[in-house]
Amino acid sequence: GAVVSQHPSWVICKSGTSVKIECRSLDFQATTMFWYRQFPKQSLMLMATSNEGSKATYEQGVEKDKFLINHASLTLSTLTVTSAHPEDSSFYICSAPKPQFFGPGTRLTVL
Amino acid sequence: RKEVEQDPGPFNVPEGATVAFNCTYSNSASQSFFWYRQDCRKEPKLLMSVYSSGNEDGRFTAQLNRASQYISLLIRDSKLSDSATYLCVVFDTNAGGTSYGKLTFGQGTILTVHP
Repeated sequence: GAVVSQHPSWVICKSGTSVKIECRSLDFQATTMFWYRQFPKQSLMLMATSNEGSKATYEQGVEKDKFLINHASLTLSTLTVTSAHPEDSSFYICSAPKPQFFGPGTRLTVL
Repeated sequence: RKEVEQDPGPFNVPEGATVAFNCTYSNSASQSFFWYRQDCRKEPKLLMSVYSSGNEDGRFTAQLNRASQYISLLIRDSKLSDSATYLCVVFDTNAGGTSYGKLTFGQGTILTVHP
């Protein structure tokens, strides 16, 4: 079946740095990918929808200038957390537009 | 009111017990419904879809009541390996930023099965 991969699986960085997370569809082409964020003891919240060849669509309350999304090709979407701060520490998960295809997630810790 | 609401638990049950989780959703126009399982520090994984007619997969039975906007999951003969967080998820075609619609997750119900 289809597989979605993410890289890195975890990252620790200093406050103020930018972190790029990659989401790849391994055996299918994805014109759309979803990015979610999950804080401890909370559920997944959709941050944005990544669209190949056009701008991402952000959910209300998500800063598009802070969370940069680039859907560079039909198999790669990236999320860059710019000038990360401790409150951005979270579990970031991407998914394909099928209910069963989630990436393994990236755990970001900002010191 | 939350779009998808679940009892967060935790539910602590012995092996072999039957446990039921409930979920309500606010949008009467929602099209599809799912139960996901999420293990600690892992991504959610689809457990099963939920249909109005009710559906069963081994020890798991899911039920949907559209009139009450209520979804349930029943786990029979609980195993230690069933310990996880169970997420009620609703899909709306007309939501989100694309024609693909949007998944909305409940906060999850924590289940711990003990020996």
